[in-house]
Amino acid sequence: GAGVSQSPRYKVAKRGQDVALRCDPISGHVSLFWYQQALGQGPEFLTYFQNEAQLDKSGLPSDRFFAERPEGSVSTLKIQRTQQEDSAVYLCASSLVQGNQPQHFGDGTRLSIL
Amino acid sequence: DAKTTQPNSMESNEEEPVHLPCNHSTISGTDYIHWYRQLPSQGPEYVIHGLTSNVNNRMASLAIAEDRKSSTLILHRATLRDAAVYYCILRDMLGNLIFGKGTKLSVKP
Repeated sequence: GAGVSQSPRYKVAKRGQDVALRCDPISGHVSLFWYQQALGQGPEFLTYFQNEAQLDKSGLPSDRFFAERPEGSVSTLKIQRTQQEDSAVYLCASSLVQGNQPQHFGDGTRLSIL
Repeated sequence: DAKTTQPNSMESNEEEPVHLPCNHSTISGTDYIHWYRQLPSQGPEYVIHGLTSNVNNRMASLAIAEDRKSSTLILHRATLRDAAVYYCILRDMLGNLIFGKGTKLSVKP
């Protein structure tokens, strides 16, 4: 079956531009997570949704970062007024429910800010 | 947040067993031990998880120390495709994954 799909695979933007990254989770998965992975580091948690509710956004680095999941399926991570330090791979994961269910990851969007 | 300690890198020969260690001395009684791996240019992939007893699945085995302060991921026969970064993670009650830097496993033919 289809896994977690992220688009675009690569995104290049100029500093100051807004970007939107899309995540299509596995159908029926209630929980959705966003992570940021800098080069050579492990992924870092950004935010978590249960259906359409954003239950934890403690990892979002600034108010320039915004995530939504309006219908409880597809999610979008938006970064406004991008800065060079936003360059990273952004990973999306979904799981059937919260708790100790395995998370299924997409292959990420590599964002480069020039 | 509970933390884990892993070697930065390990090497293995193809078709030999690999034992990847993880120390987690501050683990709490309700923390599960999860292992994920990440192949180059891919997202992390779930490998296995456990609480107290040793666990086996088609990918690997997880051996958990009696005091739960350490664990070992065992790949029974390493293949070239097993070359990846392996993350040992303690999962808290909220279920959020907190990744460290992991162990980079190289497999030699």
